[in-house]
Amino acid sequence: DADVTQTPRNRITKTGKRIMLECSQTKGHDRMYWYRQDPGLGLRLIYYSFDVKDINKGEISDGYSVSRQAQAKFSLSLESAIPNQTALYFCATSDPNGPSATNTQYFGPGTRLTVL
Amino acid sequence: DAKTTQPPSMDCAEGRAANLPCNHSTISGNEYVYWYRQIHSQGPQYIIHGLKNNETNEMASLIITEDRKSSTLILPHATLRDTAVYYCIVRVAYGGSQGNLIFGKGTKLSVKP
Repeated sequence: DADVTQTPRNRITKTGKRIMLECSQTKGHDRMYWYRQDPGLGLRLIYYSFDVKDINKGEISDGYSVSRQAQAKFSLSLESAIPNQTALYFCATSDPNGPSATNTQYFGPGTRLTVL
Repeated sequence: DAKTTQPPSMDCAEGRAANLPCNHSTISGNEYVYWYRQIHSQGPQYIIHGLKNNETNEMASLIITEDRKSSTLILPHATLRDTAVYYCIVRVAYGGSQGNLIFGKGTKLSVKP
């Protein structure tokens, strides 16, 4: 969905480096999410944020941190990257008060991260 | 763990209807059935959702059984661009982590010429 953008789209880094993945949205949604996807598997939730002051850990938050700089921006950081964090990372947004009132999530195009 | 069961793969001829089944026998009364698809490492794309009535939009139709324990996503005229992994997800509409999406492995649909 073009309303949700992620940067960078691809990144190769080395073990121990600090990495930040950024997500921006123009949908005006309050809720934002970070997922990771490993080959052949479904997505797993890392962190989610219901508004700028509300951040929650997901299923697999260890080794990650997030920052919600504004309603439209949600960043994911790997403080010290390790090879098993090599994965596809997706950002998503949702609006529980939208027309369908069912909190449907809309995803960005993803960031492919490789940690050597 | 995902609350749904889907076949790992299915084939469909181009131009024919693709019927993707999903079992969700433990669904609760306040849980919706959602369908997303993911085309080759792109971001998952929302398709359709429903509670208990059948639903149709420009992409697909969703048929939910009367007991709500299973559903079928129907792509009426499949094209090669519909080749993707299709995820069936059940979840409540609101409420903290209960409203978050839990992805299983989905069904890999291959549309063949």
